[in-house]
Amino acid sequence: GNSVTQMEGPVTLSEEAFLTINCTYTATGYPSLFWYVQYPGEGLQLLLKATKADDKGSNKGFEATYRKETTSFHLEKGSVQVSDSAVYFCALIGSGGSNYKLTFGKGTLLTVNP
Amino acid sequence: SQTIHQWPATLVQPVGSPLSLECTVEGTSNPNLYWYRQAAGRGLQLLFYSVGIGQISSEVPQNLSASRPQDRQFILSSKKLLLSDSGFYLCAWSGTGTDQPQHFGDGTRLSIL
Repeated sequence: GNSVTQMEGPVTLSEEAFLTINCTYTATGYPSLFWYVQYPGEGLQLLLKATKADDKGSNKGFEATYRKETTSFHLEKGSVQVSDSAVYFCALIGSGGSNYKLTFGKGTLLTVNP
Repeated sequence: SQTIHQWPATLVQPVGSPLSLECTVEGTSNPNLYWYRQAAGRGLQLLFYSVGIGQISSEVPQNLSASRPQDRQFILSSKKLLLSDSGFYLCAWSGTGTDQPQHFGDGTRLSIL
């Protein structure tokens, strides 16, 4: 079956530091890949997505590139802010029959200190 | 634009009491609908999904049930709550095409006493 593995953290950074949250996946075919963000006490928000190999998703200064050769979709941001403190989830939708079921990683808690 | 509403935001219920959580979607037709539970520790567990009115698929056997009485309405229910039902419940919707991302409501924090 499909699976997503991401660094569990917690990750603690100072403001303006560089962020990388690693995500690797296992899936057959060509899954679509997503990053979601969950701020404290809220639901999940779609942050960015990529639907085919070498696609780069980007939003709010965050980027992730779909790397099929390494089955990875690492999240990066060049300069984090205190407001980026949240839990980040990597997820995929597999290709084929059940192409509407999201498989999530366990989430990575990011804390950014001023 | 599409919006998803979920209520109540918080709920405190005694063990053995019934439960009804409601979720509605606006601005789209025939969405796929989902119920998740997020326990402490952040992981999300898919409980139910629906691809149409009256069509419910259960992902895990449990004390809960779901219903979809209208196209854009999804209800999570229980006849008798257990302590283990405590958690953060999230409703989500997606389009019916391939590779459609899911969009989440703000969640319901359920505490069982």
